[in-house]
Formats: sequence, structure tokens, C-alpha cells
Amino acid sequence: AQSVTQPDIHITVSEGASLELRCNYSYGATPYLFWYVQSPGQGLQLLLKYFSGDTLVQGIKGFEAEFKRSQSSFNLRKPSVHWSDAAEYFCAVGAPGSARQLTFGSGTQLTVLP
Amino acid sequence: EAGVAQSPRYKIIEKRQSVAFWCNPISGHATLYWYQQILGQGPKLLIQFQNNGVVDDSQLPKDRFSAERLKGVDSTLKIQPAKLEDSAVYLCASSPDRVNTEAFFGQGTRLTVV
Repeated sequence: AQSVTQPDIHITVSEGASLELRCNYSYGATPYLFWYVQSPGQGLQLLLKYFSGDTLVQGIKGFEAEFKRSQSSFNLRKPSVHWSDAAEYFCAVGAPGSARQLTFGSGTQLTVLP
Repeated sequence: EAGVAQSPRYKIIEKRQSVAFWCNPISGHATLYWYQQILGQGPKLLIQFQNNGVVDDSQLPKDRFSAERLKGVDSTLKIQPAKLEDSAVYLCASSPDRVNTEAFFGQGTRLTVV
């Protein structure tokens, strides 16, 4: 069975600082990988996705993520965080061909200090 | 294009009562999902429809939860009778019927069972 681990429950960064959110997955082959963001009272918004090809993927709002097969990781990064980035971030994995049925991690809550 | 619509946004009921949630997916999306998101956790898939047929309901507590998708468009999720542990956000998502696409999420219905 596939699983996702987000080891950091809560991260606090100062505005303008860089950010890295960790995500490790367990899957027998190369899965489809996603990062979603959820603001309070809102649904999930897709930040970026990896299906195949270039292991460094660019997303919306200046986010990027790198797929590292050897480490079973798909960490999310942003070079300079804005106060509006404060939210909860979820990493998710889907089986190729059925990428829409996702297994989510437990999320990382991001706080941004002024 | 219009997004995934869900109603109501919030619902408070007493335990042992029944409740129903409604979802209208993005037009033309063949696949529809219901996820349950308990506070502090990532979303967990309850049921997946392909058009009006059930693809996967292995994680749906069938003794109290039911879902249908009449005519392959709108869907309703029902809980009867509700338990305290059913308090959660219920997210509906939809995706088109082609590979290498992601799911699009609604804003969710927050259910509180008291």
C-alpha cells in the first residue's frame, strides 16, 4: 500500500526566508506526486505535480519541488516566503494511471512571521 | 470554468441524526471523489465514482455512510446515524477521464457532530 510521510507538523519561518517542506513516500514504483495547499476554511489548491520527466517541477506562487527517486522524496521549496503563504501544505501520492485517487500525508502547517 | 461546488458549507447536528452533503463536479468530469478530512489529518478517500458507477468504496463505513451519483453528474453523501467521530470536513473532488490529470477540489463541508 502507498503511504506518505510529512515529518514536520509545524514550521515557522520569517517573511523573506527560504522554505523547504519535506515529503517522503512509500510506493513500489514511481508514483504520481502532488503538493496541495489549504488555507483555513478552503478546499485544496494544487501547487504542483510530478508525473514523469524532469525531476524538478515548477508550480504556482513561486513554489518548486524536486523528485528524488533514491530518497523516495518530493520536497517542496520556495526561495522567499510571503506572509500570504501561511497555510497547511499536503503532499500526496497517486498510482500511475489512477493519479486522481490520492493518498495524502498528514500535512505541514506553515506560519510566517513578519 | 466553474469549480467543484459543495453545499452546505457548514453543518452542526446531534449524534444519531442523519445528514446529507451535495456535490456538483466540474462540467464534463467523469470521475468524482469524496474525501473525509479529520482535524489535523490529511484527507482520506471514502469513495470514487466513474460516471455513475462506484470504482472504489473500500474505505467507506457502509454501515452508516452511503453515496450516490445519479446520472453521472451530481453526488450526495449521507451519514445515518452520525457519530461524534464523524466530525470532519468532507471534500468532494472531480477529474476528467484522461491520464496525467489531477483532481480539483471543492471547498468542503465542515460537519460538527455534538
